[in-house]
Amino acid sequence: GAVVSQHPSRVICKSGTSVKIECRSLDFQATTMFWYRQFPKQSLMLMATSNEGSKATYEQGVEKDKFLINHASLTLSTLTVTSAHPEDSSFYICSARRESSGNTIYFGEGSWLTVV
Amino acid sequence: AQSVTQPDIHITVSEGASLELRCNYSYGATPYLFWYVQSPGQGLQLLLKYFSGDTLVQGIKGFEAEFKRSQSSFNLRKPSVHWSDAAEYFCAVGSFNQGGKLIFGQGTELSVKP
Repeated sequence: GAVVSQHPSRVICKSGTSVKIECRSLDFQATTMFWYRQFPKQSLMLMATSNEGSKATYEQGVEKDKFLINHASLTLSTLTVTSAHPEDSSFYICSARRESSGNTIYFGEGSWLTVV
Repeated sequence: AQSVTQPDIHITVSEGASLELRCNYSYGATPYLFWYVQSPGQGLQLLLKYFSGDTLVQGIKGFEAEFKRSQSSFNLRKPSVHWSDAAEYFCAVGSFNQGGKLIFGQGTELSVKP
C-alpha cells in the first residue's frame, strides 16, 4: 500500500541551529503535502500546506521564516526549523495527498524534535 | 468556525467490553470524516473514513463509525475491546474543497483494563 516516510524519526539539536525533516511519498506522487505539529498530550495542529513547485501556504500564527517548507519534487517535502529554540521541541507529522486514489491522505510516522 | 470536539479526554474500558468514542464536528462544507489511532511516540494510522454513501462505515481492527448528519456526529465503536486497542484516538474532518487539510479533535486516550 501507499507509504509516507519521514526522516529522521528522532533528532536532537542545539538551540540556534537549524534542523531539516524530510517527508517522502514512497510509491506515489504527491503535489500536496501537509505539515502538522503535535505537542505532548495534545492534538495535531496544521502548520502549512506544501505545494510542489510553489510556495507553501502557512496557517495563521505560523512563522514562515522560522519553519521553511520546500516541496521540490513530487515525492519530497522538507520542513526546516531555523534558529531552533527549546519551545520548538515537538512531534512533527507530515501527510501526503494521493490524487490517484480519490485524494486519500496518508500520514508519515512523525519526527520527534528535541532542542536543547 | 470549523471545529472537531471529542468530549472524552480519557476513557477506560475492560477488555472484552464494548467501546464508543464520541466525535462532534462543526463544518461549513460537506465534510469528510476520519478516525485515526496513534500509539505512543508513533504516527497516525487510519481506522476508517466517511466520504459519502452508507452512513455506517467499517474500518480496520473491528472498528466501525456512524455518520449522523442531524447530530453532526461521527462516533467510533467497537463491540469487544482488546488490550492492544489502548492508544490515542483522533477524529478529524476535512473536505475536498480544502484539498486534504484536516482539522483534528483533541483526542481521546483509551485505556484497557484486564
